[in-house]
Amino acid sequence: GAGVSQTPSNKVTEKGKYVELRCDPISGHTALYWYRQSLGQGPEFLIYFQGTGAADDSGLPNDRFFAVRPEGSVSTLKIQRTERGDSAVYLCASSLSGANNEQFFGPGTRLTVL
Amino acid sequence: GENVEQHPSTLSVQEGDSAVIKCTYSDSASNYFPWYKQELGKRPQLIIDIRSNVGEKKDQRIAVTLNKTAKHFSLHITETQPEDSAVYFCAASTGTGGFKTIFGAGTRLFVKA
Repeated sequence: GAGVSQTPSNKVTEKGKYVELRCDPISGHTALYWYRQSLGQGPEFLIYFQGTGAADDSGLPNDRFFAVRPEGSVSTLKIQRTERGDSAVYLCASSLSGANNEQFFGPGTRLTVL
Repeated sequence: GENVEQHPSTLSVQEGDSAVIKCTYSDSASNYFPWYKQELGKRPQLIIDIRSNVGEKKDQRIAVTLNKTAKHFSLHITETQPEDSAVYFCAASTGTGGFKTIFGAGTRLFVKA
């Protein structure tokens, strides 16, 4: 079956611009996570959704970052006024539920802010 | 805040030898500990996980041990093969409230043929 997909695979933008990154989880997975991974580092937790609601957004670095999951499936991570320090690979993962089940990762979106 | 420390950052072993990676966590409420393997340019993939009510788990050449009192857990790979070369991440997750998962910084494993 289809795994987690993310679009775009690569995004190059200029400092100050707005970007949206999309995640399509595995069908039937109620839990969805966003992570940010910089070169040589582990995935850094950003936000976790259970269904439509953000159950834990404590990893979002500041108010320029926002994520939604309006119908409990597809999720969009939105970054306003991008900064060079936002450059990283943004990973999405989904799991059957939030009860510590295996997370399946997408291929990631490589964001480059010039 | 929550933190996961992982050591070593780089590990080089001869094919057939064992490899051990160690992690410590800070949040005593953590109750789920997955290990992920990430090959260059690929997404992380789960290789084994352990829950807090279990002290050890084994799957073929891979085993994980958990010491809740000391708040540390380890990955053991026996009879290493060149295809085991990758970056390995430990993680700790808590089921209270949100299910935040904190990852270690990773261990780059090289298996020399």
